[in-house]
Amino acid sequence: DVKVTQSSRYLVKRTGEKVFLECVQDMDHENMFWYRQDPGLGLRLIYFSYDVKMKEKGDIPEGYSVSREKKERFSLILESASTNQTSMYLCASSLRDRGFAFFGQGTRLTVV
Amino acid sequence: QKEVEQNSGPLSVPEGAIASLNCTYSDRGSQSFFWYRQYSGKSPELIMSIYSNGDKEDGRFTAQLNKASQYVSLLIRDSQPSDSATYLCAPITGANSKLTFGKGITLSVRP
Repeated sequence: DVKVTQSSRYLVKRTGEKVFLECVQDMDHENMFWYRQDPGLGLRLIYFSYDVKMKEKGDIPEGYSVSREKKERFSLILESASTNQTSMYLCASSLRDRGFAFFGQGTRLTVV
Repeated sequence: QKEVEQNSGPLSVPEGAIASLNCTYSDRGSQSFFWYRQYSGKSPELIMSIYSNGDKEDGRFTAQLNKASQYVSLLIRDSQPSDSATYLCAPITGANSKLTFGKGITLSVRP
């Protein structure tokens, strides 16, 4: 069965902290994505990676960075968390030649 | 212009009716298109994919694609209350298959 696993379901962090959100997939997918979802704004792409160590900016990369050292793992990093980064974060992965993605369960991040 | 536009919602239909959900996209190079359904508090799940012009049917769902008009739609026949959810349109763009979503449209099916 297809599986995309995010490390935390809920996370509370303080302003200014460095935050790591981890995502692991077990399907040998080339592509991995990080989105954030906010009411009324839909799913917005932060970054995606199409291969190990390869990344491309999405629509809202400011304040975020990513790391993909191994094919199965894609990390989203908030260098200095701010309250406007409070959101639901969703990770997804896909085969590049099929395109459709499978999602993790999401991480609800609250920055206080 | 936003990459993916979905017509404004929310959309409310009575049980048994046809629900029509529409989406336009800006990248003429997009070749693959997906519809996802997202229930409240859950992650999106794939319900339909379409790759060529025309209609594709799967049970009560029909996806329609018109690449010349850069338009993709989803029809849900015999709508059920269990179809109440947010529906997201997602084209693939670029050589590396970037997946970008529209804002989604919330469908409510009234019993």
